[in-house]
Amino acid sequence: NAGVTQTPKFQVLKTGQSMTLQCAQDMNHEYMSWYRQDPGMGLRLIHYSVGAGITDQGEVPNGYNVSRSTTEDFPLRLLSAAPSQTSVYFCASSYTPGAELNTEAFFGQGTRLTVV
Amino acid sequence: AQKVTQAQTEISVVEKEDVTLDCVYETRDTTYYLFWYKQPPSGELVFLIRRNSFDEQNEISGRYSWNFQKSTSSFNFTITASQVVDSAVYFCALGDSWGKLQFGAGTQVVVTP
Repeated sequence: NAGVTQTPKFQVLKTGQSMTLQCAQDMNHEYMSWYRQDPGMGLRLIHYSVGAGITDQGEVPNGYNVSRSTTEDFPLRLLSAAPSQTSVYFCASSYTPGAELNTEAFFGQGTRLTVV
Repeated sequence: AQKVTQAQTEISVVEKEDVTLDCVYETRDTTYYLFWYKQPPSGELVFLIRRNSFDEQNEISGRYSWNFQKSTSSFNFTITASQVVDSAVYFCALGDSWGKLQFGAGTQVVVTP
């Protein structure tokens, strides 16, 4: 059981480049989300999804796109990278249908992104 | 709007001392969940404890204990007899029924031998 898998672990982009951060979970979780972590600010929610085909914005969605075509995958796309998007990105999943609501969120290992 | 405040930026202790981390939250929801996560220097997020809004019973789990008080909207976390391996950033988080989390800014705990 791999849990939540994020790729890549590290990435350097030039300003204006685009890329996709991958996130996959094998726990049949309905809810998936993306956070960014910046020093002194904790983790902030970028986008989330409550199931395949359903996504919504979080606290800091600008500059990011998401889609959820399958239960397992929830990629995060940076459309045109900016230095302000330099951060550590975490993907999380939670809630198996039929289980108790909100037991805990399982997090991936994180992606450290630097935009130069 | 939901908000989580961790007023302590950093706490430094000597090994075997107790450490209490403060967390104050704001929410209008009647059903909510409170969490503590640990982030060691390696960077991963480790789930520690969870409490739902209907359960104010405070518990002890090994060297960890927590104090949930709805009257003061606080969810404090204590590490008893701290060890060097407890050095990490600790996050308090407030969650809804699905799993959306609002994190505090984190408290850096430094335990020296």
